[in-house]
Amino acid sequence: EDQVTQSPEALRLQEGESSSLNCSYTVSGLRGLFWYRQDPGKGPEFLFTLYSAGEEKEKERLKATLTKKESFLHITAPKPEDSATYLCAGGGAQKLVFGQGTRLTINP
Amino acid sequence: SQTIHQWPATLVQPVGSPLSLECTVEGTSNPNLYWYRQAAGRGLQLLFYSVGIGQISSEVPQNLSASRPQDRQFILSSKKLLLSDSGFYLCAWSVLGADTQYFGPGTRLTVL
Repeated sequence: EDQVTQSPEALRLQEGESSSLNCSYTVSGLRGLFWYRQDPGKGPEFLFTLYSAGEEKEKERLKATLTKKESFLHITAPKPEDSATYLCAGGGAQKLVFGQGTRLTINP
Repeated sequence: SQTIHQWPATLVQPVGSPLSLECTVEGTSNPNLYWYRQAAGRGLQLLFYSVGIGQISSEVPQNLSASRPQDRQFILSSKKLLLSDSGFYLCAWSVLGADTQYFGPGTRLTVL
């Protein structure tokens, strides 16, 4: 069965304290690994797509990396506005399997 | 640029009443369209997807149905709502043949 698991479920950091979020996956026919940011009461906002092991993508304080079984979302020197739920999904060709998300809180 | 709209933004309906949620996409042609449900504290569950007008694939058996009457319009319906239909309903689109999906603002449905 296709499965995407994110850890931790929730993470609290102080402003400027760097950390990483984990996404492990077992998805048959995986074409890509996707990261989204979701603010409360809003739709997910696309961040990154990773297609092959070793690939890395960056956007401001966020960097996503991919191995054959896991993806990491590294957040460097986060700010309070980075607080959100971060969703990971695996799949492609019309079907994405989503993880439960990591709720990230950055305290000033 | 592409824009995706959903309405209504919030909806409170009694059990047994009908449902119609609408999603439209602007700025692209022949998109793939998707309906997801996000229950409280749970991940996104794919309900339906469509690769063209009148072409609907159902992922989860339930009392919901979907229709695509126009290229950039996707409708989620029910004849009789259940309490378990409560949740956050999200529409998404992707470029035909591409993998990345882009989400709309969502509709919060509460069934009482």
